[in-house]
Amino acid sequence: ETGVTQTPRHLVMGMTNKKSLKCEQHLGHNAMYWYKQSAKKPLELMFVYNFKEQTENNSVPSRFSPECPNSSHLFLHLHTLQPEDSALYLCASSAIGSDEQFFGPGTRLTVL
Amino acid sequence: AQSVTQLGSHVSVSEGALVLLRCNYSSSVPPYLFWYVQYPNQGLQLLLKYTSAATLVKGINGFEAEFKKSETSFHLTKPSAHMSDAAEYFCAVSSGSARQLTFGSGTQLTVLP
Repeated sequence: ETGVTQTPRHLVMGMTNKKSLKCEQHLGHNAMYWYKQSAKKPLELMFVYNFKEQTENNSVPSRFSPECPNSSHLFLHLHTLQPEDSALYLCASSAIGSDEQFFGPGTRLTVL
Repeated sequence: AQSVTQLGSHVSVSEGALVLLRCNYSSSVPPYLFWYVQYPNQGLQLLLKYTSAATLVKGINGFEAEFKKSETSFHLTKPSAHMSDAAEYFCAVSSGSARQLTFGSGTQLTVLP
């Protein structure tokens, strides 16, 4: 595997379910990001991790819970989501201090 | 604070015609500017970036963009559109010590045969 991978690629869940999104980067980067991409809206930065430490939480509801066990892996734990949380969730990584981010293919989430 | 405005959420061009996608930015400090492309069911891929070197930046797939400070613009161009250029294009700005990216709302490019 190369670059940034995300699993699953598609996820359908009910509002009472608990699920997790996984992101893995094989680029040796130390910064990782979660973005939300909704139709007709700009990408929204959700969380930033630098060297496994969360450095940005962009006022994200607590039903989204990130986890970064090491510099190569990033998770987004989901529970009691709302239909308006349906979106494409993108993971990205970068070298510390670099503006260039490398994106994964995203997880298409549908909340019923 | 920083922001990006992309004029035109949808742009259609004929194959072989000039592609022009507009981006204007706002930044309180000298910015770094980026264009990303997103093909269907894929993540974002970097096309090109401006980081205060040459104002005319060349990227992949024949695209280029020119940084114009006086106009606070960073428009993306390609002389001759190809069917494979059909995708969504995002302009982004990074500035300040945090150097986080702020994205525009995207422009969907359609290439007509």
